[in-house]
Amino acid sequence: GAGVSQSPSNKVTEKGKDVELRCDPISGHTALYWYRQSLGQGLEFLIYFQGNSAPDKSGLPSDRFSAERTGGSVSTLTIQRTQQEDSAVYLCASSPMGYEQYFGPGTRLTVT
Amino acid sequence: RKEVEQDPGPFNVPEGATVAFNCTYSNSASQSFFWYRQDCRKEPKLLMSVYSSGNEDGRFTAQLNRASQYISLLIRDSKLSDSATYLCVVNIPMNTGRRALTFGSGTRLQVQP
Repeated sequence: GAGVSQSPSNKVTEKGKDVELRCDPISGHTALYWYRQSLGQGLEFLIYFQGNSAPDKSGLPSDRFSAERTGGSVSTLTIQRTQQEDSAVYLCASSPMGYEQYFGPGTRLTVT
Repeated sequence: RKEVEQDPGPFNVPEGATVAFNCTYSNSASQSFFWYRQDCRKEPKLLMSVYSSGNEDGRFTAQLNRASQYISLLIRDSKLSDSATYLCVVNIPMNTGRRALTFGSGTRLQVQP
């Protein structure tokens, strides 16, 4: 079946611009996570959605970062006024009711 | 102390070798454990869950030692295609209700011909 999809696969933007990253989770998965991974580094948790519950935003690094999930399915991660340190791969994962997570291919963000 | 610790490696082994990775976790209340594999510039992919009784999937065997709070992954008869970074993943109980997984930084394996 279809896995997690993310778009765009690559995004180059100028410092100070806003960007939106999209994630389509696996159909029927109730949980959705956003992570980011800098080159050669581990995964950094950003935000978590579970059903209709309020999202867990505890990993967002600053108020320039926000995310929403519409209709319990598609999610959008928005970064406002991008900075060079925001350059990373942004990974989305979805999960059924258990803990195992299935990742999308990621969006590689480069801020110039 | 990190919540999940792994030896970063790299482990350089010849084809056909047996290699083992260990991982320790700090939260004794953790209940779910996984090994993920991440190829260079790719997303992590679930390799296998780790069960209390230990489990095997082909050439891969996972073990859990709750008393010592460590997890192991054994790869037998290594193939060139096993070259990747192996991530130890543990759930961290949260009073927020979030089903959180904490990812180790990974152990890099390079299988050589």
